[in-house]
Amino acid sequence: EAGVAQSPRYKIIEKRQSVAFWCNPISGHATLYWYQQILGQGPKLLIQFQNNGVVDDSQLPKDRFSAERLKGVDSTLKIQPAKLEDSAVYLCASSLLRNDNEQFFGPGTRLTVL
Amino acid sequence: AQKVTQAQTEISVVEKEDVTLDCVYETRDTTYYLFWYKQPPSGELVFLIRRNSFDEQNEISGRYSWNFQKSTSSFNFTITASQVVDSAVYFCALSGWQAGTALIFGKGTTLSVSS
Repeated sequence: EAGVAQSPRYKIIEKRQSVAFWCNPISGHATLYWYQQILGQGPKLLIQFQNNGVVDDSQLPKDRFSAERLKGVDSTLKIQPAKLEDSAVYLCASSLLRNDNEQFFGPGTRLTVL
Repeated sequence: AQKVTQAQTEISVVEKEDVTLDCVYETRDTTYYLFWYKQPPSGELVFLIRRNSFDEQNEISGRYSWNFQKSTSSFNFTITASQVVDSAVYFCALSGWQAGTALIFGKGTTLSVSS
């Protein structure tokens, strides 16, 4: 079974530029999560989808971050414009909708904002 | 509010030593899940264990063991006879019982095992 795929793996941009990350979850997984992991900290949830609907986006900085999950499969996370403090690893995870909450994580995208 | 605290930021041991990573959690839920993940230098999060709040039995898997104590809200992780390959950041996490609940992570403990 293929795992969660993410691209790109690394991205370096200047502040105020825009950037987009892509995630392809494990086939059949209804729930998709985007987490932000700042250096030296644990991952923090940004947004959670169930199929193509948003379940929780309470911690998403909506003035600059946006995300979508078209057709309930792939998802894109966008930052526009980027700030220095957005430098982090962006992790995508997916899970089946069942009562064990086991999430499978992708390799992450490491973003550096200069 | 839900919270996970990993008070040990960094631990350094020599190979073959035993090491325990501490995790303390806070939740008002009566049912929940606890997790441990490993993040090696390559960056991916590797699932190690999930424990539900009903099951306080300790678990052993090879050199790894977990001690869950609901009375002290702790879920500690012990590596016996540590190896250099155990060097990584280890995260403890908490989630609600309901399907599709996001994980709340601690800040992680960096374990360095030297030969």
